Amino acid sequence: RKEVEQDPGPFNVPEGATVAFNCTYSNSASQSFFWYRQDCRKEPKLLMSVYSSGNEDGRFTAQLNRASQYISLLIRDSKLSDSATYLCVVNPRSSNTGKLIFGQGTTLQVKP
Amino acid sequence: DAGVTQSPTHLIKTRGQQVTLRCSPKSGHDTVSWYQQALGQGPQFIFQYYEEEERQRGNFPDRFSGHQFPNYSSELNVNALLLGDSALYLCASSPGLGGPGVRDTQYFGPGTRLTVL
Repeated sequence: RKEVEQDPGPFNVPEGATVAFNCTYSNSASQSFFWYRQDCRKEPKLLMSVYSSGNEDGRFTAQLNRASQYISLLIRDSKLSDSATYLCVVNPRSSNTGKLIFGQGTTLQVKP
Repeated sequence: DAGVTQSPTHLIKTRGQQVTLRCSPKSGHDTVSWYQQALGQGPQFIFQYYEEEERQRGNFPDRFSGHQFPNYSSELNVNALLLGDSALYLCASSPGLGGPGVRDTQYFGPGTRLTVL
């Protein structure tokens, strides 16, 4: 079983749609959670950190369910510029020490 | 404020050769991590350096080695290259105490794309 699992997609949605991605992780002791965005052939860039019960940033909402060991990302009012791969990331520790464990990524394609 | 920089951007090598990749962390960051990203996959952790020592290592063979310098920059060395080493190699830096950036977050450089023929 992979440590972090995501549906690779692709998710094809029209502009303005709401889309949700889920991710599950296997280590119940994991402490820090993130969503990174990666454009084609570019580096991953932090989209959101997810702490305790989750957080919201504009059109993006991230939720964490520790009991079920899953993290979700909701994107409202999708824009063409949201087209990218979204990486679910887990850090088993609570500090910046140690490795990040990445999921395979979920590809989103927003169509006009 | 310069972000994480990496060199070279692209590299082509043949099987059996050795390669050195370089990374300069974001200003104020003292921890450097290296990741390998194969096509269609998420990045995989290779190792992390802090205070010039390897602090943690992923599941990579000894052919992969690294170094961190007193100015916090870092190198990744890969010996006896295999075709399967072809990937995007990403360097990420993290802030030390009081450094700029979000706590617990790693910031990535643009990567070095290595092709092994």
